[in-house]
Amino acid sequence: DSGVTQTPKHLITATGQRVTLRCSPRSGDLSVYWYQQSLDQGLQFLIQYYNGEERAKGNILERFSAQQFPDLHSELNLSSLELGDSALYFCASKLGGEGDTQYFGPGTRLTVL
Amino acid sequence: GQNIDQPTEMTATEGAIVQINCTYQTSGFNGLFWYQQHAGEAPTFLSYNVLDGLEEKGRFSSFLSRSKGYSYLLLKELQMKDSASYLCAASLGGYNKLIFGAGTRLAVHP
Repeated sequence: DSGVTQTPKHLITATGQRVTLRCSPRSGDLSVYWYQQSLDQGLQFLIQYYNGEERAKGNILERFSAQQFPDLHSELNLSSLELGDSALYFCASKLGGEGDTQYFGPGTRLTVL
Repeated sequence: GQNIDQPTEMTATEGAIVQINCTYQTSGFNGLFWYQQHAGEAPTFLSYNVLDGLEEKGRFSSFLSRSKGYSYLLLKELQMKDSASYLCAASLGGYNKLIFGAGTRLAVHP
């Protein structure tokens, strides 16, 4: 158990819908990262927050957005869902320093039908 | 652009040694992570190399050569439970975002 929690574990929805994925970082960690992992694909970095502020963006679609709240939990919002958005979505957290390790949550499996 | 390459699949025998290579071409390189991921589960941290050389941690060792853009993960005394994907990831830039390779799927057989 990494100490990072994600809800829900599974999500099944239809094309065109909007969903929100939630992540609670390890106690004391200030940085949260979001990744997408499609079937047989590597982990794709989406976005990073540090202490409530967006710090880095990867290959995140305009239909996707995220935020980090004052209590440091983060939410990833996915809208106008398409079949290709079906994937595992992981969040990871770390304390904040350069050499710190990112610890991953168990992921949310999103299925778009 | 940023590029990380590792073999797609490898097989090995229980009790043997296997080396998984990773080459990278990146800018703003800070260091190199290795993670293990069982199917459908979260990646778990194995090692982090910043300086050139070998880091040993039990049955697992990791090597980095910054000048060659090369790393490897060495797994000794292989066990069936080591069957998993092994992800190589470069830490980049001031905010240390991770760029992952596609992963190497290792199958350990009796």
